[in-house]
Amino acid sequence: AQSVTQPDIHITVSEGASLELRCNYSYGATPYLFWYVQSPGQGLQLLLKYFSGDTLVQGIKGFEAEFKRSQSSFNLRKPSVHWSDAAEYFCAVGTQAGTALIFGKGTTLSVSS
Amino acid sequence: SAVISQKPSRDICQRGTSLTIQCQVDSQVTMMFWYRQQPGQSLTLIATANQGSEATYESGFVIDKFPISRPNLTFSTLTVSNMSPEDSSIYLCSVLQEQETQYFGPGTRLLVL
Repeated sequence: AQSVTQPDIHITVSEGASLELRCNYSYGATPYLFWYVQSPGQGLQLLLKYFSGDTLVQGIKGFEAEFKRSQSSFNLRKPSVHWSDAAEYFCAVGTQAGTALIFGKGTTLSVSS
Repeated sequence: SAVISQKPSRDICQRGTSLTIQCQVDSQVTMMFWYRQQPGQSLTLIATANQGSEATYESGFVIDKFPISRPNLTFSTLTVSNMSPEDSSIYLCSVLQEQETQYFGPGTRLLVL
């Protein structure tokens, strides 16, 4: 069965430091890949997505992610974290067009000053 | 992307009662989804709601407990019936838009006492 693993439950990063959130998936073919962010008390906001083509994708708020087929990974990165980036981050996989998403358990990001 | 609203944004309910959650979209969409996010957990799909057809439920979710309506291309409701404290969750609707991307509503935060 398809699955998504986010190995880090909680990460703390200093403001201005770089960030990498890990995501690994299990699926036989190339899936549709997404990163969403959920701020406290809010819904989910799409950060970026990968369907095909260039394996490095740019998203909103200065985030980027790289698809590595050989590692079944889609890690999220940001070169310099801001205090407002503190939130819950979810990696999600879609296996077919128009189907529901499979979510990882999420990574909580805290930003220290 | 579509603007999605949900009502109510939050509610506190007594066990044994039912709550109907509304999801309104500002544009016509074919596919809508309902997810549940239990406290501290990731998102789990409840059902897929397409206009003009019966909702399709995921394993572990049944129509008697979570009846769904989809009367037109901009609106859907999810009812949580005969509630128990275990139903305390965030309920989110999402819509499928360009390039198979899901966009989420702000969620309904439900507490059952």
